[in-house]
Amino acid sequence: QKEVEQNSGPLSVPEGAIASLNCTYSDRGSQSFFWYRQYSGKSPELIMFIYSNGDKEDGRFTAQLNKASQYVSLLIRDSQPSDSATYLCAVLPSGGYQKVTFGIGTKLQVIP
Amino acid sequence: DGGITQSPKYLFRKEGQNVTLSCEQNLNHDAMYWYRQDPGQGLRLIYYSQIVNDFQKGDIAEGYSVSREKKESFPLTVTSAQKNPTAFYLCASNSGQNYEQYFGPGTRLTVT
Repeated sequence: QKEVEQNSGPLSVPEGAIASLNCTYSDRGSQSFFWYRQYSGKSPELIMFIYSNGDKEDGRFTAQLNKASQYVSLLIRDSQPSDSATYLCAVLPSGGYQKVTFGIGTKLQVIP
Repeated sequence: DGGITQSPKYLFRKEGQNVTLSCEQNLNHDAMYWYRQDPGQGLRLIYYSQIVNDFQKGDIAEGYSVSREKKESFPLTVTSAQKNPTAFYLCASNSGQNYEQYFGPGTRLTVT
């Protein structure tokens, strides 16, 4: 069983819509959760992190964490063509010693 | 400006040759990491170091070696023993107090 699972996509949304990206993880004791954005040919860029159950908002981005159901999601409001990228979910498992595990990423396409 | 630098951006080598990828950071971060990214796969951890003069194998260390003689530098050597070395190599660091990792721009290695 993969430790961090994401649908590889592509997820296509029209410009201005809400994009919802999901990630599930297998280690119930996982502590910290991260979302990275990776443009084609570039390195990942940290956009959000969340440690506690609930929602965390930063501009157009909202991270949602539900530890009981072992999923974390990223909502992008008012999606723009510039949001088109691959979004990587990363999880720090229990006893992780700072070794995070990455999902394969979901490719998002925002259609103008 | 603080950040992580990797050089070169593109690297071409003949099969059977060892090659060293550079990673330097001026963020004063304790922990540094090397990942490999292949198309359709998530980031896979090669080696990591939490402190100078100490490093641990990640999930796919075979055919790779590292050193950590200085806090700001964590070079990766891809040896001839690595069976499929062609990939995008990413260096990352974190402060050791928080768990967010920050990535360098990456080195794309092609071995023919």
